Amino acid sequence: AQSVTQLDSHVSVSEGTPVLLRCNYSSSYSPSLFWYVQHPNKGLQLLLKYTSAATLVKGINGFEAEFKKSETSFHLTKPSAHMSDAAEYFCVVSDRGGYQKVTFGTGTKLQVIP
Amino acid sequence: GAVVSQHPSRVICKSGTSVKIECRSLDFQATTMFWYRQFPKKSLMLMATSNEGSKATYEQGVEKDKFLINHASLTLSTLTVTSAHPEDSSFYICSAYSGGARTDTQYFGPGTRLTVL
Repeated sequence: AQSVTQLDSHVSVSEGTPVLLRCNYSSSYSPSLFWYVQHPNKGLQLLLKYTSAATLVKGINGFEAEFKKSETSFHLTKPSAHMSDAAEYFCVVSDRGGYQKVTFGTGTKLQVIP
Repeated sequence: GAVVSQHPSRVICKSGTSVKIECRSLDFQATTMFWYRQFPKKSLMLMATSNEGSKATYEQGVEKDKFLINHASLTLSTLTVTSAHPEDSSFYICSAYSGGARTDTQYFGPGTRLTVL
């Protein structure tokens, strides 16, 4: 069984300040973990993924996430928020890779204040 | 690369009619496609898993006779909402998976907004 918990439903940051979106997971096997971003009325775009290689994963648009097995966490960070980062972010877990069923977190809405 | 399209992007229909949504992988062959439904301000709910040339596997609580899925080729899957009702109004998103060189990532389409009047 697998599950994912996004600890914050809403995060608000000022433009130019760091972003931290938290995600904790539960998995019976070695998981694959993903972060997707969804802008209003749009589909999902893959930001980054972890599939048992390097624990620090760098993605697009300056985002990165660190897989911490001991903490069962996969938090998403960005050093400096941009207005265009305002969107909904989903943490996703898959027990055996993306081709198996994935489980979505409930999402975190990121607001960027000018 | 790894582009998935959906058509139409939005559709409005009358109650009782059927609506077909297409999901295409444009630059790769998708052995498996998934269909999700997203309610307003909610996360994605997996409806069914579709493998090319075989019957779809539906999640518990999803009516297979209402949501017909066909995966006729490695680049196309369709979702038909039969006898649509207002409660079927939602955002439907497909994703496509291809193993091998494309690794194990699901690539998502842009979604289809269905409004049933």
